[in-house]
Amino acid sequence: QVQLVESGGGVVQPGGSLRLSCAASGFTFSSYGMHWVRQAPGKGLEWVAFIRYDGSNKYYPESVKGRFTISRDNSKNTLYLQMNSLRAEDTAVYYCAKDIRGGSGLLDAFDIWGQGTMVTVSS
Amino acid sequence: AIRMTQSPSSLSASTGDRVTITCRASQDISSYLAWYQQKPGKAPKLLIYAASTLQSGVPSRFSGSGSGTDFTLTISCLQSEDFATYYCQQYYSYPPITFGQGTRLEIK
Repeated sequence: QVQLVESGGGVVQPGGSLRLSCAASGFTFSSYGMHWVRQAPGKGLEWVAFIRYDGSNKYYPESVKGRFTISRDNSKNTLYLQMNSLRAEDTAVYYCAKDIRGGSGLLDAFDIWGQGTMVTVSS
Repeated sequence: AIRMTQSPSSLSASTGDRVTITCRASQDISSYLAWYQQKPGKAPKLLIYAASTLQSGVPSRFSGSGSGTDFTLTISCLQSEDFATYYCQQYYSYPPITFGQGTRLEIK
């Protein structure tokens, strides 16, 4: 079945780095844009990054721009999020999500979500 | 950035009730709006996209309406499994994609 499975979360010190992975299965990964979304403990949802289906275009909010990098390996059906210069406010559950629209550089709703991986930034 | 404001922030209702959650955008977003349901400890689930299109597999008691700046999510006959937190999301203007702050639907 269609599935996204995140990994790579953990505890990291402020200023440190972490790389998250998201393994996709059950759909043609290379045809869909992909997103990362986070949720701080007890808080709402915050969109973190988008990458076009072919990797040619990426978007970020100002809160992570210059610190986070989204990438993908379509040969491995895997999405990544490289997080550098981590801050306490980056502490959250990180979800990867599939864009409902295929074969386009336009963003749309998110129809498939992973179970999330927890990132804790603390000394 | 487009700001999405949901009301109410929390809501108490009983099984069988009809409930409506409102989402207002700070500027015109046409129909580029989605609704998600999230239960504690779980990932969000897409309910509605393009303001009124029901996602496959979602019960027909869920419906969405609106365009421009004002949108509603209606649950026609609450079931026990519907008690959760609901989020609206705009994808008209980005970056950033933005979500509402959430509406917590609780059992009365």
